[in-house]
Amino acid sequence: AQSVTQPDIHITVSEGASLELRCNYSYGATPYLFWYVQSPGQGLQLLLKYFSGDTLVQGIKGFEAEFKRSQSSFNLRKPSVHWSDAAEYFCAVGVGNNDMRFGAGTRLTVKP
Amino acid sequence: DAGITQSPRHKVTETGTPVTLRCHQTENHRYMYWYRQDPGHGLRLIHYSYGVKDTDKGEVSDGYSVSRSKTEDFLLTLESATSSQTSVYFCAISQGPGQGSTEAFFGQGTRLTVV
Repeated sequence: AQSVTQPDIHITVSEGASLELRCNYSYGATPYLFWYVQSPGQGLQLLLKYFSGDTLVQGIKGFEAEFKRSQSSFNLRKPSVHWSDAAEYFCAVGVGNNDMRFGAGTRLTVKP
Repeated sequence: DAGITQSPRHKVTETGTPVTLRCHQTENHRYMYWYRQDPGHGLRLIHYSYGVKDTDKGEVSDGYSVSRSKTEDFLLTLESATSSQTSVYFCAISQGPGQGSTEAFFGQGTRLTVV
């Protein structure tokens, strides 16, 4: 069955430090992969997406993610975290045309 | 920001009562979705619509029904609310051919508490 695993429930990093959020998926075909961010009390906003082509994708707010088929991973990275990046981050995989499976989310805390 | 409005934003209701949540869009997107968000589960699809009067079940559809009589409105009804349906509900829209392959835009969410 299709699934998404985000191994880290909560991550704390210092402002200015680098960030990597992990995402592993299970899906038989070539996946469509997404990262969304959710600020407290808000809906989800798309950070970036991977459909095909270059396995390193750039997104908004300085985020990037790398698709690694051999590891079934789509990890999100940012070289220098800002306090405003504190939020919850969701990895998702597109299933067919009408469904999307989300991971449980990783909550990011940024220390001053 | 995509024009998606969910109403109400907060609701407390009693067990056994029917509840209807509304999602209204101004983007003329074909696809509309209802998700629920629970700690430890991320977002799970309840129902979706691929056109007026065209709907289908998602991963967690039991106890929920939907209707779409106009392109812009997608209603989610809890036929007889239970405490297990206490959750945050999100509406999403996409242009299609389906949100599995295109970007989805999300509403602000409705926090529903069933007591």
